[in-house]
Amino acid sequence: DGGITQSPKYLFRKEGQNVTLSCEQNLNHDAMYWYRQDPGQGLRLIYYSQIVNDFQKGDIAEGYSVSREKKESFPLTVTSAQKNPTAFYLCASSMVAAGNTIYFGEGSWLTVV
Amino acid sequence: KQEVTQIPAALSVPEGENLVLNCSFTDSAIYNLQWFRQDPGKGLTSLLLIQSSQREQTSGRLNASLDKSSGRSTLYIAASQPGDSATYLCAVKAGETSGSRLTFGEGTQLTVNP
Repeated sequence: DGGITQSPKYLFRKEGQNVTLSCEQNLNHDAMYWYRQDPGQGLRLIYYSQIVNDFQKGDIAEGYSVSREKKESFPLTVTSAQKNPTAFYLCASSMVAAGNTIYFGEGSWLTVV
Repeated sequence: KQEVTQIPAALSVPEGENLVLNCSFTDSAIYNLQWFRQDPGKGLTSLLLIQSSQREQTSGRLNASLDKSSGRSTLYIAASQPGDSATYLCAVKAGETSGSRLTFGEGTQLTVNP
């Protein structure tokens, strides 16, 4: 089936640790995105990538890093510099043309312990 | 800076009722507007996308309208069912490229009671 796969679904991070969230898509989409959602709030853009080996900061990029070595993959690393990382993280993808719908993965819950 | 507001934040209705969810945005220079559904602990599913040149889109029991000049969109759900219970989010896209910001509202949590 075509879609976006995020893993793991649940992740616990200790203080000072870096953790990486995986996002893979088989929709042949050029653009991929990472959003953060806090309880009762809308989504905020962390990073996005329109082509391989290129990515741009979103509105809340501090404390996060990404890579785009393959078209299908856009992993997000939550670094120890992110002071409040507990949130629901959503990966998305779309075709480059803006009129196209954006598709989301099922999300990953990150909790700091 | 674009701001998107959704009212009400939560809504509870009996099954079978027709209902309207509201979305307003501060900057009318948008490229398109999307309505999404989110089930608890899940990702978002796109319901309807309205281009800035369109006035409305329909899919089954759902109808979304767009009044760009007044900065408003509504999502009309006909004959609501318990399976419609979810959070509904609207998002506006600022420009033509895939890098253009999608600005999301905080959502309306809908409960349809049997």
